[in-house]
Amino acid sequence: RKEVEQDPGPFNVPEGATVAFNCTYSNSASQSFFWYRQDCRKEPKLLMSVYSSGNEDGRFTAQLNRASQYISLLIRDSKLSDSATYLCVVTHDRGSTLGRLYFGRGTQLTVWP
Amino acid sequence: DGGITQSPKYLFRKEGQNVTLSCEQNLNHDAMYWYRQDPGQGLRLIYYSQIVNDFQKGDIAEGYSVSREKKESFPLTVTSAQKNPTAFYLCASSIRAGTTYEQYFGPGTRLTVT
Repeated sequence: RKEVEQDPGPFNVPEGATVAFNCTYSNSASQSFFWYRQDCRKEPKLLMSVYSSGNEDGRFTAQLNRASQYISLLIRDSKLSDSATYLCVVTHDRGSTLGRLYFGRGTQLTVWP
Repeated sequence: DGGITQSPKYLFRKEGQNVTLSCEQNLNHDAMYWYRQDPGQGLRLIYYSQIVNDFQKGDIAEGYSVSREKKESFPLTVTSAQKNPTAFYLCASSIRAGTTYEQYFGPGTRLTVT
């Protein structure tokens, strides 16, 4: 079973729509959670960390459900510039302090005018 | 300007040749990482280094080698033993190794081997 599973999409939504992405992780020892954004043929960039109590950054809201091992990202009032691939990322230790990142395959979002 | 640089952006090689990808950072980060990304797949860890003169294998180290002689530099050599070397290679760094430290990525190198 993969460490991180994401629906690859693609999600095609009009400007102004609300869209939600989900992600599940397999290792209950996972410690930290992130959403990264990757534009076409570019490197991933951190969008936001995901905290246990849930957190919001402008139009973006991230939620974590440790019991269900589930992470979500909600984007409100979608903009054309939100078009990208969104990567779900988890970390956990395996007896070291490495902080290895495990990436999902990514969910592709296209926002159309 | 602080950041991570990778060169070249595009690299073409013939099968059977070794090739070295460059990764340099001026962020004063201790930890550095190499990932590989294939179409439709997530990033996979090749090698990582927590400190100068030390590195460990990731999940897909076979056919690759690295060195970490300087804090700023973590070059990756793709050897002829790597069966499917064509991919997008991403270098990353973090202040130190640990679960809560953000990793910053370089712009990547697209390697094509024919």
